[in-house]
Amino acid sequence: EVLLVQSGAEVKKPGESLKISCKGSGYRFTTYWIGWVRQMPGKGLEWMGIIYPGDSDTIYSPSFQGQVTISADKSISTAYLQWNSLRASDTAMYYCATYGGSYRPFFDYWGQGTLVTVSS
Amino acid sequence: QSALTQPRSVSGSPGHSVTISCTGTSSDVGGYNYVSWYQLHPGKAPKLMIYDVSKRPSGVPDHFSGSKSGNTASLTISGLQAEDEADYYCCSYAGRNTLIFGGGTKLTVL
Repeated sequence: EVLLVQSGAEVKKPGESLKISCKGSGYRFTTYWIGWVRQMPGKGLEWMGIIYPGDSDTIYSPSFQGQVTISADKSISTAYLQWNSLRASDTAMYYCATYGGSYRPFFDYWGQGTLVTVSS
Repeated sequence: QSALTQPRSVSGSPGHSVTISCTGTSSDVGGYNYVSWYQLHPGKAPKLMIYDVSKRPSGVPDHFSGSKSGNTASLTISGLQAEDEADYYCCSYAGRNTLIFGGGTKLTVL
């Protein structure tokens, strides 16, 4: 069974750094892209970017390029989403999901989500 | 990249059908047969309902169907059931492993 398990909810202050995680199991982690999707409070889903854990090839949405860093550690089947300096506007639910690449361009398995709250 | 255009809300009575549209451009919806649809229930992770415009993953009920014409994709839910009440999002491939979501549609089962 494919499972993506995300790290727990975070409460941070503006300016702080944060790294949330997404651990995959039940499939070959290095051969499936992992994507990150944001849902701000009361808003829709937004595609942030994807990473191929096999070689760490990463593609960002133009809206998120330079705002976050996506990485992966294939030795522990875990992908990460990182901020160097959080803003209140980063308050959102963040989901990771498996993505099949350009011939299977959809998200089939999803993590449970990580709620990030940024408030002074 | 602007979000794909979806109606903010749709509604229908149990047993009836509803269709949710998703309009993009020739660079996304119209350019590829790679539209997917996701169902979001409050407090739960999104669920893939349709991929490649009209294919249903295993386990998705067959009263969900998808189609596309030009730059507009559609999700049709026939024989509405109470548990279909949720938010629905379309998503299109936009080339070079980039994706774009729709703004989301709230389905109310009356």
